[in-house]
Amino acid sequence: AQSVAQPEDQVNVAEGNPLTVKCTYSVSGNPYLFWYVQYPNRGLQFLLKYITGDNLVKGSYGFEAEFNKSQTSFHLKKPSALVSDSALYFCAVRDAGAGANNLFFGTGTRLTVIP
Amino acid sequence: DSGVTQTPKHLITATGQRVTLRCSPRSGDLSVYWYQQSLDQGLQFLIQYYNGEERAKGNILERFSAQQFPDLHSELNLSSLELGDSALYFCASSVVGSGYGEQFFGPGTRLTVL
Repeated sequence: AQSVAQPEDQVNVAEGNPLTVKCTYSVSGNPYLFWYVQYPNRGLQFLLKYITGDNLVKGSYGFEAEFNKSQTSFHLKKPSALVSDSALYFCAVRDAGAGANNLFFGTGTRLTVIP
Repeated sequence: DSGVTQTPKHLITATGQRVTLRCSPRSGDLSVYWYQQSLDQGLQFLIQYYNGEERAKGNILERFSAQQFPDLHSELNLSSLELGDSALYFCASSVVGSGYGEQFFGPGTRLTVL
């Protein structure tokens, strides 16, 4: 079975400080991992993905994520938070060996960047 | 703008009714996915179509059905609506049918069942 856990419902960070949004996953095979962001009344926007290769993945808007196979984690990071980063963030996973290729999403983490 | 369009943006209807949600994928994308987002269930995968054929099924109720047409647009049909069907319904598309391509999401249709 495939699943994703986002252990924090809410993350608050001061503007200019580094931010981390946590994600752990569970798949039986190799994972494909994704981060999406959702702004109010909007659809999900793709930020970045890990398929294979370098464990540090760089994405849109200065975000990056580090794949850690031993800890089954894929935490989202940004060196310096902006107020405009405030949004709902979703981690998603798919088992590379699974027949179906839909994504399994976490419950989301609401990030608030405080001016 | 992801390039995925969904209509209508909002839909208000009564219990027992039937509605149709429409999705047009990004130009060139062959795969369409439907998701339901509700407060208590989070983001749940419903169904996927690839080039007109059903590819995968998730937590889709028997009262719900979908299809993808030759021009690749897709429709999600919801019937015998219940209060609990109130949610945001998202369509997403990707170039390929496999899972390594990122999915691009539409703005969603907010369904309210009264």
